[in-house]
Amino acid sequence: EDQVTQSPEALRLQEGESSSLNCSYTVSGLRGLFWYRQDPGKGPEFLFTLYSAGEEKEKERLKATLTKKESFLHITAPKPEDSATYLCAVQAMGQAGTALIFGKGTTLSVSS
Amino acid sequence: DSGVTQTPKHLITATGQRVTLRCSPRSGDLSVYWYQQSLDQGLQFLIQYYNGEERAKGNILERFSAQQFPDLHSELNLSSLELGDSALYFCASSGFGLPNNEQFFGPGTRLTVL
Repeated sequence: EDQVTQSPEALRLQEGESSSLNCSYTVSGLRGLFWYRQDPGKGPEFLFTLYSAGEEKEKERLKATLTKKESFLHITAPKPEDSATYLCAVQAMGQAGTALIFGKGTTLSVSS
Repeated sequence: DSGVTQTPKHLITATGQRVTLRCSPRSGDLSVYWYQQSLDQGLQFLIQYYNGEERAKGNILERFSAQQFPDLHSELNLSSLELGDSALYFCASSGFGLPNNEQFFGPGTRLTVL
């Protein structure tokens, strides 16, 4: 069964304290791995897509990396406005359609 | 703003009732997806339509149904509502094939069943 596990469930950081969020996945064949940011009561906001092991993408203070079994979202020198829930999702080959399978997310709180 | 619109934003109704949620995809996107988000289950895929045809089904209850119209907007119908159906319902849209694989989500409809 295709599955996504994110850790930790919650993370508290001081402003400027860099850290990483983990997304482990089990999938029959990976078509793509996606990172989203979600603010309370809002829809998920697309951040990155990664397709193959070794791929990296960056956007401002965020950098996503991918291996054959997991992905990391590195947050460098976070600011309070980076506080949100970060969701990881996979799209599997061989499935009907192109739906996403989501992890339960990591809730990040950054204090000043 | 993702370009995906959903109405209504909030819906409060009673058990046993029926409601309809509406979604308009981003301009040019042919695929529409519906997801349900509850506190304990996270984001769960319900159903996908592509250019008016059902493409894939996830954990969608038989009491729920959806359709995509010729103008590509989609509706999710929820009937015989139960307390456990209270959740956030999101619509997402995407293009087709790489590099149009990303799904863009709407603001959601919060359904409360009393």
